[in-house]
Amino acid sequence: AQRVTQPEKLLSVFKGAPVELKCNYSYSGSPELFWYVQYSRQRLQLLLRHISRESIKGFTADLNKGETSFHLKKPFAQEEDSAMYYCALSGRSGGYQKVTFGTGTKLQVIP
Amino acid sequence: DTGVSQDPRHKITKRGQNVTFRCDPISEHNRLYWYRQTLGQGPEFLTYFQNEAQLEKSRLLSDRFSAERPKGSFSTLEIQRTEQGDSAMYLCASSLSDRGILETQYFGPGTRLLVL
Repeated sequence: AQRVTQPEKLLSVFKGAPVELKCNYSYSGSPELFWYVQYSRQRLQLLLRHISRESIKGFTADLNKGETSFHLKKPFAQEEDSAMYYCALSGRSGGYQKVTFGTGTKLQVIP
Repeated sequence: DTGVSQDPRHKITKRGQNVTFRCDPISEHNRLYWYRQTLGQGPEFLTYFQNEAQLEKSRLLSDRFSAERPKGSFSTLEIQRTEQGDSAMYLCASSLSDRGILETQYFGPGTRLLVL
């Protein structure tokens, strides 16, 4: 079974402060992990994926297999970062790829 | 191509009625996914297609739910004998599969269903 846990429903930070959105996962194999973002009144879209090891809009996420975590970080929050963030895991289940999403964290950046 | 589209965007129905939703993926994408999202939850996987083949169905998908992708392009999701618990946002996503690696999924705007 695969599971994704995002412990915080809401995270409020001041503009310019560092951001860390937590994501922990449970999966027996080698996972593929993603962060998706949904801005107000927009559709869900990919922010970044761990295999790309890229930084998008200043966000980075490192896969820590020892702690089974994939936390999303940004050193200086901006108002336009306010959105809903979902961590997702893709793994094989019953021979096929399956994607499991976390419950999401709402990031609120206070001006 | 403007991305994944879904129709209708909103649907209100009475309990016991049947509803059908349509998803048009990005044209060259061979994989198509259906998810359900309720308030305060992330998207929950329902089913997915590789071309016209339905490869997996979640246990969430009761026998009242059926999905098709007859020509490997658009897909329909039908819910028969709707129940109030079916009220949710139904999301469709598509991706281009290569070598079994999960690529980026592109999501549609969703269809919001309200069952009275």
